[in-house]
Amino acid sequence: AQSVTQLGSHVSVSEGALVLLRCNYSSSVPPYLFWYVQYPNQGLQLLLKYTSAATLVKGINGFEAEFKKSETSFHLTKPSAHMSDAAEYFCAVSENSGNTPLVFGKGTRLSVIA
Amino acid sequence: DTAVSQTPKYLVTQMGNDKSIKCEQNLGHDTMYWYKQDSKKFLKIMFSYNNKELIINETVPNRFSPKSPDKAHLNLHINSLELGDSAVYFCASSRNGNTIYFGEGSWLTVV
Repeated sequence: AQSVTQLGSHVSVSEGALVLLRCNYSSSVPPYLFWYVQYPNQGLQLLLKYTSAATLVKGINGFEAEFKKSETSFHLTKPSAHMSDAAEYFCAVSENSGNTPLVFGKGTRLSVIA
Repeated sequence: DTAVSQTPKYLVTQMGNDKSIKCEQNLGHDTMYWYKQDSKKFLKIMFSYNNKELIINETVPNRFSPKSPDKAHLNLHINSLELGDSAVYFCASSRNGNTIYFGEGSWLTVV
């Protein structure tokens, strides 16, 4: 069975500071990994995904994540936070074959302080 | 040109009522899903359909019944609504297990 652990239900950073949102996964098969963002009262938008190609994945809005198999991690980073980055961020895992649904972490709420 | 659309976006209803949420995708995907997001923002799969066939049915009360009339639609019908059914329900779709695209969500409040 697959699972995702997001460390920290709430992360607060200053505007312009580094954003680091942590995600560790558990999977018995090679995984696909995803980061989604949810703004208040909106749906989930895909930020980026890892599907067994390059281990450093670049996404939208300046975000990127690095797949580290040895650490079973897929942390999300952004060099400089903007106020508009304040949202809920979800890490998710699925098997890399077949139509398996996503298994989500519990989410991390990112606050950006002016 | 919305990819995954679901209606209604907001629904307030009384306990005991029956309600439906509709979902349509115009991406040509073969798999559709329903996810539930609870008050703590936790997202969990409810159902998954592939080419109109049910392939995943998680531990969901029988009061919840999905229906897929064709590959582009997956509706969710809920009977005898309870207070605990209040949540955000997300429809989603994918092709061949690739990236899953989500709808905007349907906020259900049972009073």
